[in-house]
Amino acid sequence: SYVLTQPPSVSVAPGKTARITCGGNNIGSKSVHWYQRKPGQAPVLVMYLDSDRPSGIPERFSGSKSGNTATLTISSVDSGDEADYYCQVWDSGSDPVVFGGGTKLTVL
Amino acid sequence: EVQLVESGGGLIQPGGSLRLSCAVSGFTVSSNYMSWVRQAPGKGLEWVSVMYSGTGTYYADSVKGRFTISRDNSKNTLYLQMNSLRAEDTAVFYCARGVTPMGTTFYFDYWGQGILVTVSS
Repeated sequence: SYVLTQPPSVSVAPGKTARITCGGNNIGSKSVHWYQRKPGQAPVLVMYLDSDRPSGIPERFSGSKSGNTATLTISSVDSGDEADYYCQVWDSGSDPVVFGGGTKLTVL
Repeated sequence: EVQLVESGGGLIQPGGSLRLSCAVSGFTVSSNYMSWVRQAPGKGLEWVSVMYSGTGTYYADSVKGRFTISRDNSKNTLYLQMNSLRAEDTAVFYCARGVTPMGTTFYFDYWGQGILVTVSS
């Protein structure tokens, strides 16, 4: 089955830019979606179709893709952005919905 | 306002059965792609099952043959019948609405708050 690889953790100082990567074979041919999950809360869609932001998500959140890697970029990070972030794609394999392992974003 | 509210979780012994419910308001379950996603303690998100707006259903290999997804259109509610439960099924289970633009991808735009299922003796 398809595998998405994320770094377990990313740390960034307040006001700086966080970049969370998601790697997968031939990911360029797939649309990548991103979710934010804070402790005790439901996941929230923060990016879909690689780089589209749902309404209500700040412009500080952006998405991109290059080669075999998709990236969620969060600029001007603040403590409210601390969360686990998951990438997700749709695959033609036996398990069609595939999530990355998640990245814990820590604001120093 | 869109709301998805899960219920039916709890503590169950290995080998037992449990049925989760997801009561939806704000949209029609039967007209949408509905899924169950779970998160085991200390683990990431794992897709469990999807029910298409028609009658198609699909399951993760890890639950195939043990779990059944269904819906009650009159109650606008999604269900997950879980049989032969194992310790590794312990997780918070979320129901979520799927979106499939142009049928080429799939993502979740609305999620419930989740319900804890603990499989333990």
